[in-house]
Amino acid sequence: AQRVTQPEKLLSVFKGAPVELKCNYSYSGSPELFWYVQYSRQRLQLLLRHISRESIKGFTADLNKGETSFHLKKPFAQEEDSAMYYCALSRGGGATNKLIFGTGTLLAVQP
Amino acid sequence: DTGVSQDPRHKITKRGQNVTFRCDPISEHNRLYWYRQTLGQGPEFLTYFQNEAQLEKSRLLSDRFSAERPKGSFSTLEIQRTEQGDSAMYLCASSWGGISYEQYFGPGTRLTVT
Repeated sequence: AQRVTQPEKLLSVFKGAPVELKCNYSYSGSPELFWYVQYSRQRLQLLLRHISRESIKGFTADLNKGETSFHLKKPFAQEEDSAMYYCALSRGGGATNKLIFGTGTLLAVQP
Repeated sequence: DTGVSQDPRHKITKRGQNVTFRCDPISEHNRLYWYRQTLGQGPEFLTYFQNEAQLEKSRLLSDRFSAERPKGSFSTLEIQRTEQGDSAMYLCASSWGGISYEQYFGPGTRLTVT
């Protein structure tokens, strides 16, 4: 079964501390992996996707197929990073591309 | 604002009533998705349109739910005989087809069934 697991509901760190939001997935093929973010009172938006291999707002995520993980990392957290973060996967190859989301992790960056 | 829009933003209804939500995608996008999000959960896929064709429906979409996308533009999601368990945030998203997988989400419609 296709599944995305985010084990932490809440992650609280101090400003300047490193951040790692965990994401593990279960999928038999080769999925596309994404991180979506929802800031307070804003809509859900794409943060980054593994195929782009880019850094957005200082965040990076590496797809580890052996461990079926796609953890989100940032070396120095900022207060404006406080938000709800969702890991998601979709089937690759131009199919439906429906997203399967994890339950989300609330990141709270303390001053 | 040229993003995805949804109407209404909030809907309170009594159990047993019918409700209809509307989604206007980004105009160039041919793919449209509906998701449902309940408290403490991530969004769950409901259904998908490519142009006007409804190509996939989740098992979550009971017989009381129906979605349309006439002419491949806006979409409506109707829930008949609402139940308290239907209370949730209903999200719409749209995207291009092809290699771009980014889905752009609307602000959602929050449904409360009393």
